[in-house]
Amino acid sequence: DIVMSQSPSSLAVSVGEKVTMSCKSSQSLLYSSNQKNYLAWYQQKPGQSPKLLIYWASTRESGVPDRFTGSGSGTDFTLTISSVKAEDLAVYYCQQYYSYPFTFGSGTKLEIK
Amino acid sequence: QVQLKESGPGLVAPSQSLSITCTVSGFSLTSYDISWIRQPPGKGLEWLGVIWTGGGTNYNSAFMSRLSISKDNSKSQVFLKMNSLQTDDTAIYYCVRSSSYDAMDYWGQGTSVTVSS
Repeated sequence: DIVMSQSPSSLAVSVGEKVTMSCKSSQSLLYSSNQKNYLAWYQQKPGQSPKLLIYWASTRESGVPDRFTGSGSGTDFTLTISSVKAEDLAVYYCQQYYSYPFTFGSGTKLEIK
Repeated sequence: QVQLKESGPGLVAPSQSLSITCTVSGFSLTSYDISWIRQPPGKGLEWLGVIWTGGGTNYNSAFMSRLSISKDNSKSQVFLKMNSLQTDDTAIYYCVRSSSYDAMDYWGQGTSVTVSS
């Protein structure tokens, strides 16, 4: 199974600050035939189901604000929130869909100061 | 619009089986794969298995011996059955659609299952 590791486990920032969180996979998620990274980011707000933010490591899902940016390739990935809003309070999960079983990172909890 | 809705028993006794139904609307099960994912209280997400458009399945090996996923395309329903439940199977169970680009684009609201006597 591919192991997904996220860091930090939690962070607290003020509104307007820039946030960066990391996701690393135990093997490459880059599919050679199409040069796509099979990595997604999800946001789970308190009491809600997860919501897809980013797929193919860097493509924003329709309707996702452009302050959310995914980057990286291979085994190292980053989710950046350029200017945090209070509504971004959530746990953020990365997930690989390169191979079964699909696996998730343990999440980064974003708190607002 | 696309919707997925899980319905389950809420409470299951230890060693008993769990059956959950996911009813979808706004799309056809012949066009999209459906996964089951669970989340224990206060913990992360765990992928259980998938049923593909053609009816084939793939299960997380950790659950393969006691998990079954099936569907009825005509009723737009997907079924999860898990046997021999224990207290650590207590979780919210989600059914989730895989998009055309394979990421999981629509999630149900989840159904909470507690395993307790």
